[in-house]
Amino acid sequence: ETGVTQSPTHLIKTRGQQVTLRCSSQSGHNTVSWYQQALGQGPQFIFQYYREEENGRGNFPPRFSGLQFPNYSSELNVNALELDDSALYLCASSSGPKDQPQHFGDGTRLSIL
Amino acid sequence: GQQLNQSPQSMFIQEGEDVSMNCTSSSIFNTWLWYKQDPGEGPVLLIALYKAGELTSNGRLTAQFGITRKDSFLNISASIPSDVGIYFCAGHTSGTYKYIFGTGTRLKVLA
Repeated sequence: ETGVTQSPTHLIKTRGQQVTLRCSSQSGHNTVSWYQQALGQGPQFIFQYYREEENGRGNFPPRFSGLQFPNYSSELNVNALELDDSALYLCASSSGPKDQPQHFGDGTRLSIL
Repeated sequence: GQQLNQSPQSMFIQEGEDVSMNCTSSSIFNTWLWYKQDPGEGPVLLIALYKAGELTSNGRLTAQFGITRKDSFLNISASIPSDVGIYFCAGHTSGTYKYIFGTGTRLKVLA
């Protein structure tokens, strides 16, 4: 069974730039949720994708957007990067969009200079 | 953003000791998850709880779903050095699509 994989592992960008992060879901999982984890904090829900559509969204501005592909993999796009966007971005996959347990990848560490 | 309260925030214990931590919410949840996160890695699922009062074990770990549905507890028996890490709880409300995570309990084990 293949787990959740994310790429890249680390990324450095400057303010105002755009970034795309990628996630491959665990085999058998059709739902992907994205989280932002600031240093010393718990993960904060960004949004969830199910059946290639955004299924729900947390308190993040529209410059955070995403996609899900037919193979259930997903992308997180962030435009007009700000210093506060520096964080660990985690992807979690699950077998459904409700209370099914979510399994995480190791994240992408994004640093904004 | 919303986060659940976890207690204690951090703890040092001796190897071999038992550990208890808890997670509380002002909202009712229908599912509780417990995760462990090591430095540089993503959270790893330890235990899932689905019913109020449920007690579930995974090796030396035991978790309970509080009967009020507003809290959950995690116990680790006979701690070992590899138990070091940050433990997160996460709660889910029926009819919603997201898990809300706790603030984390940082565990340090003294050999």
